[in-house]
Amino acid sequence: EDQVTQSPEALRLQEGESSSLNCSYTVSGLRGLFWYRQDPGKGPEFLFTLYSAGEEKEKERLKATLTKKESFLHITAPKPEDSATYLCAANTGGFKTIFGAGTRLFVKA
Amino acid sequence: NAGVTQTPKFQVLKTGQSMTLQCAQDMNHNSMYWYRQDPGMGLRLIYYSASEGTTDKGEVPNGYNVSRLNKREFSLRLESAAPSQTSVYFCATLMAGGGYTFGSGTRLTVV
Repeated sequence: EDQVTQSPEALRLQEGESSSLNCSYTVSGLRGLFWYRQDPGKGPEFLFTLYSAGEEKEKERLKATLTKKESFLHITAPKPEDSATYLCAANTGGFKTIFGAGTRLFVKA
Repeated sequence: NAGVTQTPKFQVLKTGQSMTLQCAQDMNHNSMYWYRQDPGMGLRLIYYSASEGTTDKGEVPNGYNVSRLNKREFSLRLESAAPSQTSVYFCATLMAGGGYTFGSGTRLTVV
């Protein structure tokens, strides 16, 4: 069965304390790995798409990387405004996309 | 440019009542989706529409129906609401790069 697991469930950081969020996937044929940010009471907001192992994408303090089994979202020197839930999702072709449950990130000033 | 607009934002229903969740997009995307989000779980696909005039079941379609009214609008109907349908519902469209653009959600409580 296709599965996407995110860890940790919650992460508390001090402002400036870099860390990484993990997304492990077990799917039959990855077509794309997606990262989203979700603020409380809002819909998920698209961040990155990764297609193949070794690929990296960056946006401000965020960098997403992909291996054959997992993806990492690295957060460098986070700020309080980076606090949100981060979702990853794996597409296996067509309209089949499996979402992880998310990692809630709290960044304290 | 509003993107994906959902109405209503909040709704409380009694068991057995019916309602329709509305979704409209102004991005001229072909594919539209309905997801539900429950605590501790990933988003789950209810129904999708690959293009105007077509609809297909997703992972959790039971208890729901959809209508793709035109290219812009995709509605989700609960014919007889049950407490298990208490959730946050998101409408989404598929972008050219493969990711989704989501609406802001409808928070539904069934009592």
